[in-house]
Amino acid sequence: NAGVTQTPKFRILKIGQSMTLQCTQDMNHNYMYWYRQDPGMGLKLIYYSVGAGITDKGEVPNGYNVSRSTTEDFPLRLELAAPSQTSVYFCASSYSEGTRGNTIYFGEGSWLTVV
Amino acid sequence: KQEVTQIPAALSVPEGENLVLNCSFTDSAIYNLQWFRQDPGKGLTSLLLIQSSQREQTSGRLNASLDKSSGRSTLYIAASQPGDSATYLCAVRKDSNYQLIWGAGTKLIIKP
Repeated sequence: NAGVTQTPKFRILKIGQSMTLQCTQDMNHNYMYWYRQDPGMGLKLIYYSVGAGITDKGEVPNGYNVSRSTTEDFPLRLELAAPSQTSVYFCASSYSEGTRGNTIYFGEGSWLTVV
Repeated sequence: KQEVTQIPAALSVPEGENLVLNCSFTDSAIYNLQWFRQDPGKGLTSLLLIQSSQREQTSGRLNASLDKSSGRSTLYIAASQPGDSATYLCAVRKDSNYQLIWGAGTKLIIKP
């Protein structure tokens, strides 16, 4: 079972470049999330989606954009990359409100360095 | 503002020992609390979830407790094994939205 798949696993960006982190899930989950994890810190929610066509900001949305055109895919777009966006990015999904109790499934992470 | 703290940041114990990981939170008005495991280079795996009305949850050698009034949760691991080596994170759900507030984790090393 593929679960939640993120690509790329590693990427180095130059300041000002843009890129998209891809995320897809094959579990027919309606909820999807993007988190970032900085060294020695907990995860912070960037954006989330409760279904196709619906997205909303999390705790740290600045510098990012998302879209949800299908149930399976939830790409995260970084525009004008900055060193502060160097982090590990995790995509996750759940059947409904994962934070209410349904299991959240995480991808393996994408390591992004902005130089 | 809800803050979640996990102390210690790292812990190393010999195989076979029972151990306790701690998680504290500043606002007792939580909806639930979850414990996750993170392996190096991997994503997170949900271990246990405790609803605010519950006191504890058990899964195999793992037992998580919740004391909302004191703002504390513990994860008890019995008869630790080298395979338990990982970073353990706790996260609480705020009462009114979808956000999980995360601790920074405790890196656990079980020595053979």
